[in-house]
Amino acid sequence: SQELEQSPQSLIVQEGKNLTINCTSSKTLYGLYWYKQKYGEGLIFLMMLQKGGEEKSHEKITAKLDEKKQQSSLHITASQPSHAGIYLCGADIHAGGTSYGKLTFGQGTILTVHP
Amino acid sequence: AAGVIQSPRHLIKEKRETATLKCYPIPRHDTVYWYQQGPGQDPQFLISFYEKMQSDKGSIPDRFSAQQFSDYHSELNMSSLELGDSALYFCASSNQYSDTQYFGPGTRLTVL
Repeated sequence: SQELEQSPQSLIVQEGKNLTINCTSSKTLYGLYWYKQKYGEGLIFLMMLQKGGEEKSHEKITAKLDEKKQQSSLHITASQPSHAGIYLCGADIHAGGTSYGKLTFGQGTILTVHP
Repeated sequence: AAGVIQSPRHLIKEKRETATLKCYPIPRHDTVYWYQQGPGQDPQFLISFYEKMQSDKGSIPDRFSAQQFSDYHSELNMSSLELGDSALYFCASSNQYSDTQYFGPGTRLTVL
């Protein structure tokens, strides 16, 4: 079973709509990373969250970490076609407190934004 | 800003052949990670190196080996290639001052 579960697996929205992607861990989260991937291309780093309750924003993307729920959410406001892609959450859920170890990823959320 | 460089970007090999993938980390990054992403799957960790020493190992087949050199670049050597080895292979790098792993564009390996 997947140690990091993302939902939804795919999302189709109209341009201008808000959306949220969730990432839930079956283990304690020490750090949570959000990446964006265009099909067949590299992973682009979006944000890293380390402390419970932490919230970060970059342009129209906001990510939050709920340590108690072992969950993170990524929220996009007023979506644009440029937001389309695959969003992956990744976490170091093995080493505990550092990311010198491997990252485990969720299965990804495919976002389509219709103009 | 300089990013992680991977070469080649595309590679086509026959079964049972050997392939070598190269990764050049961001300058002053001392840790390199290798991931494999199969079609429609999430990236799976293979192996990592810190200061030229193997630091962690994941689901890497015995047919694969890797090392990090004195200039911090890393190479992933894959022998006796199988059809199932066809995938995107990513390299990521980080340093002791930032836990964030920055990914390269990947090498797409196709085994025929």
